[in-house]
Parts: sequence; C-alpha cells; structure tokens
Amino acid sequence: DAGITQSPRHKVTETGTPVTLRCHQTENHRYMYWYRQDPGHGLRLIHYSYGVKDTDKGEVSDGYSVSRSKTEDFLLTLESATSSQTSVYFCAISLGTVNSPLHFGNGTRLTVT
Amino acid sequence: GESVGLHLPTLSVQEGDNSIINCAYSNSASDYFIWYKQESGKGPQFIIDIRSNMDKRQGQRVTVLLNKTVKHLSLQIAATQPGDSAVYFCAENIRSNYQLIWGAGTKLIIKP
Repeated sequence: DAGITQSPRHKVTETGTPVTLRCHQTENHRYMYWYRQDPGHGLRLIHYSYGVKDTDKGEVSDGYSVSRSKTEDFLLTLESATSSQTSVYFCAISLGTVNSPLHFGNGTRLTVT
Repeated sequence: GESVGLHLPTLSVQEGDNSIINCAYSNSASDYFIWYKQESGKGPQFIIDIRSNMDKRQGQRVTVLLNKTVKHLSLQIAATQPGDSAVYFCAENIRSNYQLIWGAGTKLIIKP
C-alpha cells in the first residue's frame, strides 16, 4: 500500500458539522491527492498537493479545503458537511513525476446524515 | 467535457480464459494511460501504464494495447484467476496535467 494510512476508516457525521480526514505517508513523496468515489462517477479529484503548503483544486473542490504543513500529512476538511458529500474518500501519492502511477490508501467511508 | 469511458460495465469470464476489458477515450491530447484494479473495500491498485508513444506494453499476465487512431485502450488478462475478480478502471492524463480522468469502471466476474 506504499505506506499510506488514512484515518478514520469510517465516520458518520451530521449535516453542518466540520470533518477532517487525514492521510499519512511514510515514503516522503512529493505529490499527494484526495479523491472521492461515488457509484457511476468513478474517481474524481478534489484537491492535490505538489509540496508542503503547495496545493491546488481538482474538478470537485467546492465545499472542501486541504492543508499540507508536513510532507507526510495531507488533510482534507469539509467545513460544513452536506449529504452530497457522503462518499468514499481516497488519498493517493505519486511516486515520481506527474506522469507516474498513483498509489492509493484504503479509503475513508464518510456518511453525512 | 471529454472523458474516459468503458464499453461494458460487467464482464463474466470463465476461469482460465483470457479477459479483455475495453476503454474508449475522447481526448486526442492524452499522452498517458493507466489501468487500475479495485477489490471490494480497498483502494485502486496500479496494474500497468502506457505512454502515447507506445502501442503495446506487457506485464505479468497483463497486456495493455493502445490504438490512438480510434482512441481505444484495452487491458488483456491471460489465464484469468479467481483473484482477478474486481472492478477495473482506466484513466488518462492530458499532457502532464496533474489531473487523471477516470472511467466509471468495469466489473470482472470469474465463473468457476
């Protein structure tokens, strides 16, 4: 699993509450990504990071923010969770340059009630 | 917008036979393609990749074919085994953009 740990693995939260998901890597790789996976949509990129404090938006970034204060940690925050953000969230790292395979964690299943 | 798609959502194959999973892409600027396997409850696992300057690439029991003329990508799995049961995704990358574009996935079912 390329040394990727996502926490928590499961979370249930109420609409309007803030939620933070954590991705931790032990490989010291530069590139990290947050995806969400929903039936019928495949994986969609939320945000990505190309270094400490260097982040950018993906195709579905509305309602999400990220932070990367250390190489090994990439945090995804839902400022005010909505039911449409119920999903499985995957963190990924890239082992090399941008055209390198991504390696994924095992996901966080988030349910917003 | 342009996207990667799959021809078949579900594919059933007899154990021991070869499997072929197809993928169509619409962006001629895409220059890098990847296949992933996802088992239930796990994250996608990298299988094989191919760059646009290649037509074919082989790995262990897998082969990826790229036909740029018709914008078609396929994954061939030789001697399919029960452990190959999973959802398979293709993804494309456009000219060193950071964002992969993913297909919706094909579920591979292995019949005993």
